[in-house]
Amino acid sequence: DQQVKQNSPSLSVQEGRISILNCDYTNSMFDYFLWYKKYPAEGPTFLISISSIKDKNEDGRFTVFLNKSAKHLSLHIVPSQPGDSAVYFCAASDQGGSEKLVFGKGTKLTVNP
Amino acid sequence: DTAVSQTPKYLVTQMGNDKSIKCEQNLGHDTMYWYKQDSKKFLKIMFSYNNKELIINETVPNRFSPKSPDKAHLNLHINSLELGDSAVYFCASSPRTPRYEQYFGPGTRLTVT
Repeated sequence: DQQVKQNSPSLSVQEGRISILNCDYTNSMFDYFLWYKKYPAEGPTFLISISSIKDKNEDGRFTVFLNKSAKHLSLHIVPSQPGDSAVYFCAASDQGGSEKLVFGKGTKLTVNP
Repeated sequence: DTAVSQTPKYLVTQMGNDKSIKCEQNLGHDTMYWYKQDSKKFLKIMFSYNNKELIINETVPNRFSPKSPDKAHLNLHINSLELGDSAVYFCASSPRTPRYEQYFGPGTRLTVT
């Protein structure tokens, strides 16, 4: 039972363009959503988060949008850089409950120079 | 000055053996976790400890036993290894708040032959 889904296993964009990574969730109890970035042979690193009381959070080139009614969030990277090439994991947490993170399967982003 | 470290990075062993993976964090965090990333790339929580107390114990075979000698260490011992235990195991830690913001170690790739 996948509570967090990333339906695109890979995405390829040109340097300087926008990268949009998508994530859907099924559990309405989730109240925090996060994006993690992972390079090969390394652990995931926290990138950006958003609370369910917001619909947008921005940090430099990274913006996360949350649409609660659609149970959908997206990560926008503008402009994309070759160093952004990595696997991006969407994760969700029920902070009022178990607090554990539930991860999606990841989307591999490749930014071409 | 590694924040979350794991040893060993690679572990190759035969079925039926017992092995341990060690994890240490120097971030002063209260909570530590073990995750398993299987061949399908899902990152799933196994255990969580808060100040040496077990707080999350997912449906994991009892061949897996976490041990936390102090709040900076969380080791994972696996008895009677099986082929299906082959995976990458990640240790993580988080502060008291926000607990969803987790810091991951580099992972231990376990191969059971």
